[in-house]
Amino acid sequence: EAQVTQNPRYLITVTGKKLTVTCSQNMNHEYMSWYRQDPGLGLRQIYYSMNVEVTDKGDVPEGYKVSRKEKRNFPLILESPSPNQTSLYFCASSFADNQPQHFGDGTRLSIL
Amino acid sequence: SQQGEEDPQALSIQEGENATMNCSYKTSINNLQWYRQNSGRGLVHLILIRSNEREKHSGRLRVTLDTSKKSSSLLITASRAADTASYFCATPPYNFNKFYFGSGTKLNVKP
Repeated sequence: EAQVTQNPRYLITVTGKKLTVTCSQNMNHEYMSWYRQDPGLGLRQIYYSMNVEVTDKGDVPEGYKVSRKEKRNFPLILESPSPNQTSLYFCASSFADNQPQHFGDGTRLSIL
Repeated sequence: SQQGEEDPQALSIQEGENATMNCSYKTSINNLQWYRQNSGRGLVHLILIRSNEREKHSGRLRVTLDTSKKSSSLLITASRAADTASYFCATPPYNFNKFYFGSGTKLNVKP
């Protein structure tokens, strides 16, 4: 089954404790992306990747890191999480940057 | 700032009625896409309309695009309670790698 898998689905953690949210897709997509969704602000792109070893900033990259060492995986790293990063996070992938995106089920992060 | 903005922010209708949502955007686009999100779940792609198309249909969905006004509309005909969700437009800008979503229209279809 074609899917984008994110883990964990839920996480409550404390300020400053490094965390990684994993994202994996099985569709051989080249374009992958991370978004955060906050009430009233819609989805905002954090980082995206056009292909392996090619990543770039979206609209809200501060406080986040990503890597794309393999085509299928695109982890999101919060090196020193802060409460303003409490949000619902989505990973998505597509064949190209302007093509329909397939979304994971989301990761709800709470940073205390 | 957001590339796409939906209007209205919320819409409540009775089952069987039609629902119309609008999207405005700011820059030239390659295509415009509509997505649906059920209650905090991942978004699901509904329909894509290219910049050289004016109208597209898919089942009970009808999408129009007016590039001169930088706007699009999504019409859901004969709505059902199961259509209750948030609907987003997405506008990948032409010749640009980012992907922008609007803030969404929350549709409530009452049985």
